[in-house]
Amino acid sequence: QVQLQESGPGLVKPSETLSLTCTVSGGSISSYYWSWIRQPPGKGLEWIGNIYHSGSTNYNLSLKSRVTISIDTSKKQFSLKLSSVTAADTAVYYCAETKYSGSYYWFDPWGQGTLVTVST
Amino acid sequence: DIQMTQSPSSLSASVGDRVTITCRSSQNIKSYLNWYQQKPGKAPNLLIYAASSLQSGVPSRFGGSGSGTYFTLTISGLQPEDSATYYCQQSYSTPYSFGQGTKLEIK
Repeated sequence: QVQLQESGPGLVKPSETLSLTCTVSGGSISSYYWSWIRQPPGKGLEWIGNIYHSGSTNYNLSLKSRVTISIDTSKKQFSLKLSSVTAADTAVYYCAETKYSGSYYWFDPWGQGTLVTVST
Repeated sequence: DIQMTQSPSSLSASVGDRVTITCRSSQNIKSYLNWYQQKPGKAPNLLIYAASSLQSGVPSRFGGSGSGTYFTLTISGLQPEDSATYYCQQSYSTPYSFGQGTKLEIK
């Protein structure tokens, strides 16, 4: 049973870079895709992007110029970097396994989430 | 980008009731539609994928249907633990997008 755990600073200053890591346990990272999803406090869910174990990525174009997702299969980790953050980037950040069957994709399981606050 | 719209935004129902949440997409997404349940302070949990396939371990009182631009999530025989916010999500094309959520309260 795959489990995911996000880690990283809970407070980031405006204009700096948010960096988070998701550690995969209980299964192989060399299968399926791996996604980052965020949820501002009291609001809905926004898909940020995903990465395949080969390193190929897909990003939400609304964030693309600021987002980098990378993977380290030897450590069973994948990471998110979001540059030039503002208060609007304050959110709970989730990592999730992106399973697929044929051309159908879904997010399962999810990490517990980590709150990142952008503030001075 | 594909916009997902859920209705209602919130609803209240009693234990044992049958409730239906609807989700509409801004364009034809065939059956590329998933449903999630999120409880306060927790990560979303997958209920239904590919519009109507029940995720393993999810109670059979949850059901999904629809295709094209109109989808429904039905909970038959509502239980107290079903109090949560429910989200639909399209996987037809990136950027994958979610509905705004439907908050379900148990009376």
